[in-house]
Amino acid sequence: GENVEQHPSTLSVQEGDSAVIKCTYSDSASNYFPWYKQELGKGPQLIIDIRSNVGEKKDQRIAVTLNKTAKHFSLHITETQPEDSAVYFCAACSEGNNNDMRFGAGTRLTVKP
Amino acid sequence: DTAVSQTPKYLVTQMGNDKSIKCEQNLGHDTMYWYKQDSKKFLKIMFSYNNKELIINETVPNRFSPKSPDKAHLNLHINSLELGDSAVYFCASSLGTSGMRVETQYFGPGTRLLVL
Repeated sequence: GENVEQHPSTLSVQEGDSAVIKCTYSDSASNYFPWYKQELGKGPQLIIDIRSNVGEKKDQRIAVTLNKTAKHFSLHITETQPEDSAVYFCAACSEGNNNDMRFGAGTRLTVKP
Repeated sequence: DTAVSQTPKYLVTQMGNDKSIKCEQNLGHDTMYWYKQDSKKFLKIMFSYNNKELIINETVPNRFSPKSPDKAHLNLHINSLELGDSAVYFCASSLGTSGMRVETQYFGPGTRLLVL
């Protein structure tokens, strides 16, 4: 089955700096890669996702890149703000697999003002 | 106009008790899920139902029994609660799994279960 690894487990940056979180996956059939943000006491919220037919997707300060050959994908947050502080999860899923999504272990991002 | 809602938000109970957690979605989705998030924040799928039919059943103790009275509701009943069941339980929903395309999952706010 799919195995998703996520690094780093914790990340601390200064406000305004960029943050990068990386994930690798094992199942070459995976073709859907969402990123979720979980704030304290809340459920995970989708912030961006990418499908395997594209290599990059951007939404304002957030971007995701995908390298299918190397089986890794990354989340990039530019101009970080204190409200970006949260736990971020990557996930991977393949078509025809009943939407069985496998999550990374999470990255706790702290943005210092 | 909450999309995926869960009740209760907090649940504190004694070992050995039986408890239920309820989940409802008003998104018109066909598929619903239960996840367990442990103290290290690891998210692991437990069950999923598509249009009231069980489609994913991970290695979960028989004490956990999901019930889907209709496609907008997926409840989780836990018998004989154990200390190790303490965790945050999240419900999620997605458009469906009948097609080949993977659909985005939307999560509820979670139920924090503490077994004493």
